[in-house]
Parts: sequence; C-alpha cells; structure tokens
Amino acid sequence: DAKTTQPNSMESNEEEPVHLPCNHSTISGTDYIHWYRQLPSQGPEYVIHGLTSNVNNRMASLAIAEDRKSSTLILHRATLRDAAVYYCILRASYTGNQFYFGTGTSLTVIP
Amino acid sequence: ETGVTQSPTHLIKTRGQQVTLRCSSQSGHNTVSWYQQALGQGPQFIFQYYREEENGRGNFPPRFSGLQFPNYSSELNVNALELDDSALYLCASSLDQVSSYNEQFFGPGTRLTVL
Repeated sequence: DAKTTQPNSMESNEEEPVHLPCNHSTISGTDYIHWYRQLPSQGPEYVIHGLTSNVNNRMASLAIAEDRKSSTLILHRATLRDAAVYYCILRASYTGNQFYFGTGTSLTVIP
Repeated sequence: ETGVTQSPTHLIKTRGQQVTLRCSSQSGHNTVSWYQQALGQGPQFIFQYYREEENGRGNFPPRFSGLQFPNYSSELNVNALELDDSALYLCASSLDQVSSYNEQFFGPGTRLTVL
C-alpha cells in the first residue's frame, strides 16, 4: 500500500490560512489522494479528494504537485472548529474502498 | 437521511471473552468497512463487506470476523479478546465498493476496553 508522510503537528492562528503538507513519493498513476479529518471524540469525516488537478470545495482546497509526489490541503480561514487530526490517504482503485490511514497531522488553532 | 450509527458506545470486557459490535449503514449504502483505532494512532483497516460478502481484509487475525446483513447493517465479532484489542472501533459505509473516489461516512465508534 502506498504510504503518506505528514508532520505530526501544526499550529495556526484563527482566521489565517493553513497549509497542511503530505508527501506520497510512491504514488501510482491510479491512486486518488483523499483527505479526512477527525475531530475529538468523533469518527473521521471527508474533507476533499483529487487525482491530478487542484480541487476546491466548501471546506478546503487541495493542491497537487505536478509529479503527484506531494499535495497540500489548504484551509483558507482556520476556525476553532477546524482543530482536528488531518489524514492524507492514498486510495488505489484496485483496492476498492479500503483506506490506509497514517498517523496524520494534529492541527491546533490558536484564538 | 440517517447517518452511520454504532452500538454500544462503550464496552468493557475481560481477556479471553468474545464481543460483538454493531453498525447501521447510512441509508442506501451497500458497503461497510471496519477499522481499529488505537490511542494516538490512525485507524487501521480490518475488513470490508460488500453486499454481504467479505471484500478485502487488512492484517488482522481470524479471530476478527464480521457479517453484513441484507439491510446492509453489519457486525464485528472479536473472539478470545486480548489486552491489545482495547481501541476505538469505527464503522464506515459507502455507496458501492467499485469506485476509488467514493466518500466513506464514519460512525462515532465503539470504545472497547479489555481488562
């Protein structure tokens, strides 16, 4: 299974943008890049996903490097409710819905 | 639309016992995956069920088994409990196991403590 590498923790001031990096140097051409987050005492929730092009949704933006060996999740204005563990996951089409999580990045938002 | 629900919320068992955890999928979803999340770690994939058949398994021993019912709800059974089985057990449902970009919807989890 393709692996991802993320910093253990990051801090951000409230209402400032946050850039959460993820390295996935062994990514294959059919791997989708998914981001989930887990708020305290909750199950993970979907944030965004992409394959090759940058993606935007109401929660965040996903910037994917041209060689696809890294990606960055961008929260445009961090709020206290964004404090969570963020997981970057590669999901191969041949493994169906099976997600392989790493240890993620714990984001602290400072008021 | 009802989300993914799990029961019980918390459970305490002793070593050697057996446990059954339950999960109700989100309405319309036919695929259920189970994960084990130890404290401070990311979730680890246990197995997935698609239309009542096991469809993929992670690195877990056979004493971890499951079922999916015709209404797509699911059970996780763990026999001969060990202390290391203490964890948060998460259930996730999705629509169709085929696509690699289908979103998974997670339940709140069952916290299992093995003494």
